[in-house]
Formats: sequence, structure tokens, C-alpha cells
Amino acid sequence: TQLLEQSPQFLSIQEGENLTVYCNSSSVFSSLQWYRQEPGEGPVLLVTVVTGGEVKKLKRLTFQFGDARKDSSLHITAAQPGDTGLYLCAGGSNYKLTFGKGTLLTVNP
Amino acid sequence: DTAVSQTPKYLVTQMGNDKSIKCEQNLGHDTMYWYKQDSKKFLKIMFSYNNKELIINETVPNRFSPKSPDKAHLNLHINSLELGDSAVYFCASSLGTRSGNTIYFGEGSWLTVV
Repeated sequence: TQLLEQSPQFLSIQEGENLTVYCNSSSVFSSLQWYRQEPGEGPVLLVTVVTGGEVKKLKRLTFQFGDARKDSSLHITAAQPGDTGLYLCAGGSNYKLTFGKGTLLTVNP
Repeated sequence: DTAVSQTPKYLVTQMGNDKSIKCEQNLGHDTMYWYKQDSKKFLKIMFSYNNKELIINETVPNRFSPKSPDKAHLNLHINSLELGDSAVYFCASSLGTRSGNTIYFGEGSWLTVV
């Protein structure tokens, strides 16, 4: 069974701070996705990374896929209250997506 | 138009009852899923269908029976509901079965078994 460990599980910061969320596994994935879920809604895709070492930027969000395709990180610069939500990483292989347990981020104004 | 829509959004029912959750997607996708999210927010795949054919069945009790009448619909029927079935159930779809495809989720169906 492939497992994805996310850390930290909970994160509460002030507006303007930077943060990094980690997603680690002992398994190799063909792709790694990050989703954000807001209360009462379904997860929404933020990014997909497929190449080891790949870095993608989405405005203030920077995503990195580890060289060995076993881990990933999400860095948010100058966090805003609108960034509040549950961040889920998901590793893809064998036609299946395995989700981590998520990082619940709260950005306080 | 909502891309993936599921009904009902909220469902409160007694133990032992049978209930169904319906799901429809208007994205023209070939692949549909049911995911379960527990109280700790852990999202786990239950079933995956591709072109109406079951391709993933993740050790789900056989009280749960998915049905796909066509590519745009994947309904979930649950027999003899138990307290532990309380969770949020998400329907989702994607263009195909490749693991890098974007998965589009519905808004979830909040099931409470009392």
C-alpha cells in the first residue's frame, strides 16, 4: 500500500508569513498533484508535477517534485487569509491516486 | 453549470436503512470515482469506473454498490447503513485513467447515520 505523509498536519500563521508544507512517501509516483479544499466543498486541483526535480509556480505558490519522485513540497509566500484551507497532496501510479491526510492551513488577518 | 453534481448534499438516516447518492458529470469524461472522506479529512478512493466498467474497487464492504448507467452517471447505493458509514462522500471524474489527469470533484454528500 502506498502511503503519503503530509506535515505539518495543522498550521496557523499570521497574514504575510511564509510557509512550507511537505508530502513524503517511500514509494515512487509517476505524478504528484496538490489540491486545496475549502469547507463544504470538494478538492480543487492546484498543480500537477510529473518530472523529478520539477518546480512549478502559481502566483505566490511554489511546488517542487523531489528528484526521486517520492516527495513534494508546497511553499506559500506572504500568505493571505484567502489561502486558508485543507491542502492535499496526491500521488499517482497504476491508474490510481493516493491522497495524503492533508495540512489544514489557517491564515489569520 | 456545475461540472460534477451529486445529490443529496446532506443526508441523515438511521442505522439499517438503505440509501443512494446520485452523481452526474457534464464534462464528457470517461472516468468517474467515488471517494470517502472521514472525520479526520482523510480522502480515500472507493471505486473507479471507466466507460461504465469497474476498474478500481478498494476493499469496500459489499454493502456499497456503485452503478454506472452511462458514462455521465455514477450512483452509489448503500445497504444496511452503519454508524461507521458516516462521512462525506465525493463523486469525481477525469478525462481518462492516467494518474496525472486532473480529477474534478463534486461538492460532496454529507452522510450522517444515527
